[in-house]
Parts: sequence; structure tokens; C-alpha cells
Amino acid sequence: AQTVTQSQPEMSVQEAETVTLSCTYDTSESNYYLFWYKQPPSRQMILVIRQEAYKQQNATENRFSVNFQKAAKSFSLKISDSQLGDTAMYFCASLRSGSEKLVFGKGTKLTVNP
Amino acid sequence: DAGVIQSPRHEVTEMGQEVTLRCKPISGHDYLFWYRQTMMRGLELLIYFNNNVPIDDSGMPEDRFSAKMPNASFSTLKIQPSEPRDSAVYFCASGRGQGQETQYFGPGTRLLVL
Repeated sequence: AQTVTQSQPEMSVQEAETVTLSCTYDTSESNYYLFWYKQPPSRQMILVIRQEAYKQQNATENRFSVNFQKAAKSFSLKISDSQLGDTAMYFCASLRSGSEKLVFGKGTKLTVNP
Repeated sequence: DAGVIQSPRHEVTEMGQEVTLRCKPISGHDYLFWYRQTMMRGLELLIYFNNNVPIDDSGMPEDRFSAKMPNASFSTLKIQPSEPRDSAVYFCASGRGQGQETQYFGPGTRLLVL
């Protein structure tokens, strides 16, 4: 079974600085997909970024980028130039190819301080 | 696109009452998912549909929970009778599936059972 572990329950960062959220996963599959979702206080789950395991290039979306280390089964999220609106819970998730079941980590609560 | 629509956004009810949560997926998405989020258990997949047909309901906690999808644009999750331990945020998500596609979440329904 797939598992996703986020080892940092809470983190904080100063506005305009860079922060990295950690995620490790365990899977026996060769092809899978990884996601980061953001959940602000409104509780809406918002997709931040997605990575296909067969792609070596790290995904980027504006200020958000990932460091995907397939051999280490690590998928960290880097947020550059942090903004107050980045304050949220961040969930890492994995999806086995051919499956529809997203497996989520427990989440990291990120606070961006002014 | 309006995104995934859920109603109601908040529901407060008394133990023993029937609760019905509603979801309208994004047009063109043929997969629909129901999740539950609690502090203790995080995000759990309850059930998902493909082309209106329930595919996997192994996450449904017990017989008090039922879900239907009468057509491509509407689904319900019903709890009868409700219990205080059902208090949670319930999310509906939709996607194109095929084991690789992103799931897009609705805003959630916050349920409180007194």
C-alpha cells in the first residue's frame, strides 16, 4: 500500500523568504503521480503543483517548485518569496498509475509572518 | 468553469437526524469522489464513481452512510441516522480519472452533529 509522510506538523517563515516543506512516500509502483495541495483557512483544497514520476525534470509553478528525488522517494515543496496568502495547510499526496485513490499525508501547517 | 459545487457549506443537526450533502462536479469530468476530513484521521476517501457508477465504496464507514449519483452532474452523500462522530468536513472532488488526472476539490461541507 502507498503511504505518504509529512514529518513537519508546523512551520513558519518570514514574508519574502523561502521555505521548503518535506514529503516522503512509499510505493512499490514504477509509475505514479505526486501532488501538493494547499488548504487555506477557507478549507478549500487547491492544487499547487503536480509531478509525474516518469519525468526527471522538477515541476514548477511560478513561486512553487518541487525537488523530486525518485530514488530517495522524496518530494519536497519549495515556496519562494513567501507571501501572507501562502499561510495554509499543505498536503502532499500520491496517486498510483491506474488507480483513482489519492493517498494524502497528514499535512504541514505553514504560517507566513509579516 | 464554476468548479466543483457543494451544498450546503455548513450544516448543524442533531444526533439521529438524516443529513444529505450535495455535489455538482465539473462538467466533462467522469470521476467523482467523496472525502471526509477530521483532525484525527486526516483526509479519507469514502467512495468514488466513474460514469455515475460506484466503483469503490470501501472507505464508507458503515451502513449509515450511502452515496448516489443519479446523473453526470449531481451526487449526494447521505448519513442516516447521524451521530456526533460524523462531525467533519466532507469534500467532493471530480476529475477525468484514468489513474493520472488531477482531482479538483469543492469547497467542502462542514458538518456538526450535536
